[in-house]
Amino acid sequence: QLQLQESGPGLVKPSETLSLTCTVSGGSISSSSYYWGWIRQPPGKGLEWIGSIYYSGSTYYNPSLKSRVTISVDTSKNQFSLKLSSVTAADTAVYYCARHVWDTAMVPSVSYFDYWGQGTLVTVSS
Amino acid sequence: DIQMTQSPSSLSASVGDRVTITCQASQDISNYLNWYQQKPGKAPKLLIYDASNLETGVPSRFSGSGSGTDFTFTISSLQPEDIATYYCQQYAFFGPGTKVDIK
Repeated sequence: QLQLQESGPGLVKPSETLSLTCTVSGGSISSSSYYWGWIRQPPGKGLEWIGSIYYSGSTYYNPSLKSRVTISVDTSKNQFSLKLSSVTAADTAVYYCARHVWDTAMVPSVSYFDYWGQGTLVTVSS
Repeated sequence: DIQMTQSPSSLSASVGDRVTITCQASQDISNYLNWYQQKPGKAPKLLIYDASNLETGVPSRFSGSGSGTDFTFTISSLQPEDIATYYCQQYAFFGPGTKVDIK
């Protein structure tokens, strides 16, 4: 059974960079059919896609966050990571990693998140 | 960008009631619309993918339909454990959610 687990600091200071890692177990991050994504949810609010990465390193980002986001992958560790720079209180949220079934060759196309991590709360505060 | 509207934003229904949630896309997305359930403090769970396909292990009282721009999610007989917020999703973007409560 595929499992994803987020890890990283729960508290980040304003203007600094938020860094999280997602460790995938029970399957290979190098599977050819899947992207790997980050989604966040501010307290009491809805879900916001941050971006997704293929094992080759190809990335897609939410345009609203693109200037501050970097997603990378480490296939040797079966992990992928998120960096969000210049954070403010508005970036306080539960951050989820998820497997992203996505056919990027077509628009519109198959695109859904079928396995999720439990989520980790990141608070931006001094 | 394709915009998603979801309605209602919340609803209350009795156990055993039929519950319907709608999601509308701003342009034709074929059948590429998915539905998730999120219970408080938990990660979202995929229920329906590609408009009408039930994810493995999901009870058959959940169903989805639609294509093009208009989609419907239905719980045929609401159960107490169905109390949650439900989100539609297309491409990589989520609708605003529908909170479902027991009356």
